[in-house]
Amino acid sequence: DADVTQTPRNRITKTGKRIMLECSQTKGHDRMYWYRQDPGLGLRLIYYSFDVKDINKGEISDGYSVSRQAQAKFSLSLESAIPNQTALYFCATSDAERVYEQYFGPGTRLTVT
Amino acid sequence: AQSVTQLGSHVSVSEGALVLLRCNYSSSVPPYLFWYVQYPNQGLQLLLKYTTGATLVKGINGFEAEFKKSETSFHLTKPSAHMSDAAEYFCAVTPNQAGTALIFGKGTTLSVSS
Repeated sequence: DADVTQTPRNRITKTGKRIMLECSQTKGHDRMYWYRQDPGLGLRLIYYSFDVKDINKGEISDGYSVSRQAQAKFSLSLESAIPNQTALYFCATSDAERVYEQYFGPGTRLTVT
Repeated sequence: AQSVTQLGSHVSVSEGALVLLRCNYSSSVPPYLFWYVQYPNQGLQLLLKYTTGATLVKGINGFEAEFKKSETSFHLTKPSAHMSDAAEYFCAVTPNQAGTALIFGKGTTLSVSS
């Protein structure tokens, strides 16, 4: 079984809808991250969490919110989806000792029409 | 502030040829540097990393990279390309302080032809 899982893997939604992307991990890591990938722009950090009570904004947090329900679960929400949020979203984890060695999920492809 | 610049969004090589993917960084503190690889329809996986110590680091699948402070570079190389190396490669940087996430470059797509 994969260490970092994301659901759904693909989602098409309409402008204005609220949508939640979920991430679960079995690695026992404290730290979790949400990135967005757009062609030609690389990965950009949306939010990151160092533990259940510590959540931080990343480079592009506007329009997004997150919830760390447990050490193993980190959800990303789009409160009111817009077309320019169409992208590939990745969740990642790392432990506190080796923060830079991040383990990525398979990604969620989100299309907002 | 830190940043990463990957020179060339697309690199094409023939099978058996040298692979060279370029990465330059900007950092006000000694950086930790990384290369990640993304195969089609997959997430990223760590290829290699430089933190401290030896400036030539070796990674998986025959790749290596050299940290050159004077040139602020961390170029990725492989002596002989294989078809299976075709993927997108990302250079990333983080300061050597706990608690900071990675900053990624825009990526370089490597194509390998037979």
